[in-house]
Amino acid sequence: DSGVTQTPKHLITATGQRVTLRCSPRSGDLSVYWYQQSLDQGLQFLIQYYNGEERAKGNILERFSAQQFPDLHSELNLSSLELGDSALYFCASSVGQVDYGYTFGSGTRLTVV
Amino acid sequence: GQQLNQSPQSMFIQEGEDVSMNCTSSSIFNTWLWYKQDPGEGPVLLIALYKAGELTSNGRLTAQFGITRKDSFLNISASIPSDVGIYFCAGRSTTDKLIFGTGTRLQVFP
Repeated sequence: DSGVTQTPKHLITATGQRVTLRCSPRSGDLSVYWYQQSLDQGLQFLIQYYNGEERAKGNILERFSAQQFPDLHSELNLSSLELGDSALYFCASSVGQVDYGYTFGSGTRLTVV
Repeated sequence: GQQLNQSPQSMFIQEGEDVSMNCTSSSIFNTWLWYKQDPGEGPVLLIALYKAGELTSNGRLTAQFGITRKDSFLNISASIPSDVGIYFCAGRSTTDKLIFGTGTRLQVFP
């Protein structure tokens, strides 16, 4: 157990729908990062939050949004889902704004049908 | 999105063999990290390298931060079945972005 908790573990939904993925960072970590991993692909950085504020943005689609709440958990909202959004979504956390290594959760596998 | 080039893409080796993989970039990096991802799990940090030329070991794993700061290498000695997984390199750019490699998929046969 890495200490980073992601729910749900699996999600199956239809095209056009909206889903919310949840992440609780490791205790004491203030930064949360979201990554997308498509089949046989590397990890694509989506977005980072630090202590409730957006800190960095990667290749996140406009249909996707995220936030970090006062208790530091984060949610990634994916809307108007398309088949190509099917992927593993990982959350990672770290102590500071810029850290040398992140701790990853075990991911949410999203399947859009 | 920007990614590092990792090679080889996949490896099929026999238990007991040594493994080498590398990661290259056209940009320089300040930090190199190596992660391993087991099936159905998130990546786990194996080794972190902080300066050019640095050579660091973690058990049977040895990684090096290239002198040019544009590459890194990971070696696994005497592979065992539990080494199976996907190995990712990651580099922290001069603008503090952490960029992941495309991954090397390792299969170990008994």
